[in-house]
Amino acid sequence: QVHLVESGGGVVQPGGSLRLSCVGSGFSFNDYGMHWVRQAPGKGLEWVAFIWYDGSKNYYADSVKGRFTISRDNSKNTLFLQMNSLRGEDTAVYYCARIDGAGYYDKTTYIESWGQGTLVTVSS
Amino acid sequence: EIVLTQSPGILSLSPGERATLSCRASQSIYSDSLAWYQQKPGQAPRLLISGGARRATGIPDRFSGSGSGTVFTLTIDKLEPEDFAVYFCHHYDISQFTYGPGTKVDVK
Repeated sequence: QVHLVESGGGVVQPGGSLRLSCVGSGFSFNDYGMHWVRQAPGKGLEWVAFIWYDGSKNYYADSVKGRFTISRDNSKNTLFLQMNSLRGEDTAVYYCARIDGAGYYDKTTYIESWGQGTLVTVSS
Repeated sequence: EIVLTQSPGILSLSPGERATLSCRASQSIYSDSLAWYQQKPGQAPRLLISGGARRATGIPDRFSGSGSGTVFTLTIDKLEPEDFAVYFCHHYDISQFTYGPGTKVDVK
């Protein structure tokens, strides 16, 4: 059974930084591409970033490009999201999620499994 | 960038009725690049449909997806009490991923 557990959320001031982590279990972590998706309070889903199974390619939403960095440590079954220059509009629940493949085939990049999310609040 | 719109914003129905949810893309997309998710309050989304029409593991057959080009539909036959939730459509490809704003299905 796929299990994804996020951590690292909290309250941070505008302009600050935060690093989210997500530990995967119940599957072969190094075989799957991973996403970060966020959801502002009472709002819809917004894709944030995507990384291939081996970390060789990553992609970002325009709203976070240049401020956020997605990475992974397959030896520790862990996905990361480094968030810098945080703004109020970054306040959201951040979900870690696994796709249905490695990442290089476009028909399998949809999210198959989601973590429970971690709340990031950017406020002074 | 492909933009997805969903209608209606809120769908009020009774248990046992059929729900028809629409998702429109700003440009033509492959039908096998469209997914649907269900989200209940306080929970993470759950995959219902991928590839436009393929039900995920464990999803009842009262859920079905269809469509092509720019218009896609999620149909829920005979709503069960646990089906009242928010539904999102999602377009995916190799490097761009977008979600619709959602349709809330609530109890009439």
